[in-house]
Amino acid sequence: QKEVEQNSGPLSVPEGAIASLNCTYSDRVSQSFFWYRQYSGKSPELIMSIYSNGDKEDGRFTAQLNKASQYVSLLIRDSQPSDSATYLCAVKGYSSASKIIFGSGTRLSIRP
Amino acid sequence: DVKVTQSSRYLVKRTGEKVFLECVQDMDHENMFWYRQDPGLGLRLIYFSYDVKMKEKGDIPEGYSVSREKKERFSLILESASTNQTSMYLCASSTGQAVAAEAFFGQGTRLTVV
Repeated sequence: QKEVEQNSGPLSVPEGAIASLNCTYSDRVSQSFFWYRQYSGKSPELIMSIYSNGDKEDGRFTAQLNKASQYVSLLIRDSQPSDSATYLCAVKGYSSASKIIFGSGTRLSIRP
Repeated sequence: DVKVTQSSRYLVKRTGEKVFLECVQDMDHENMFWYRQDPGLGLRLIYFSYDVKMKEKGDIPEGYSVSREKKERFSLILESASTNQTSMYLCASSTGQAVAAEAFFGQGTRLTVV
């Protein structure tokens, strides 16, 4: 079993709709969870981080964490063509010296 | 702003060569990471370092070594480059906090081994 799993997509969503991206992780003691966006040919950039159970909202983005189910999700409201990218879920363990492990990413395409 | 700088954007090396990829960060971060990214496989961790001269193997350390002699610099070494090491290599750094320590990435090095 991979440590961090995501559906590879592509996920196609009409402009203006809600895009829902999902991620599961295997290490129960993980403490920090991140969503990165990566455009083709560019480096990943952080868009959301979440550390406690529940929802965290930032503009059009909402991250959701359920530690009991070992599940993290990202919702993008009012999807725009500029949201078309690969979204990477990342998980960090409980200590300061823990590694950060990434999923393989979900490719999102927003169709006009 | 955090800046993570990788020494080269593109590199072409021959099979069997010793290759050095350099990464420097300017935010006094404790942790530094080397990942490789291949289509469909996401970012796979090669090595990471949580302090000067300290390192831990990631998921795919075979064929690689690392060096961290100074806090700001983390080098990835391919002892004898092979064609299956052709990839995009990404360096990242983060603080030493237990929580909220997101990774900041360099621009990446596209390495081609011929």
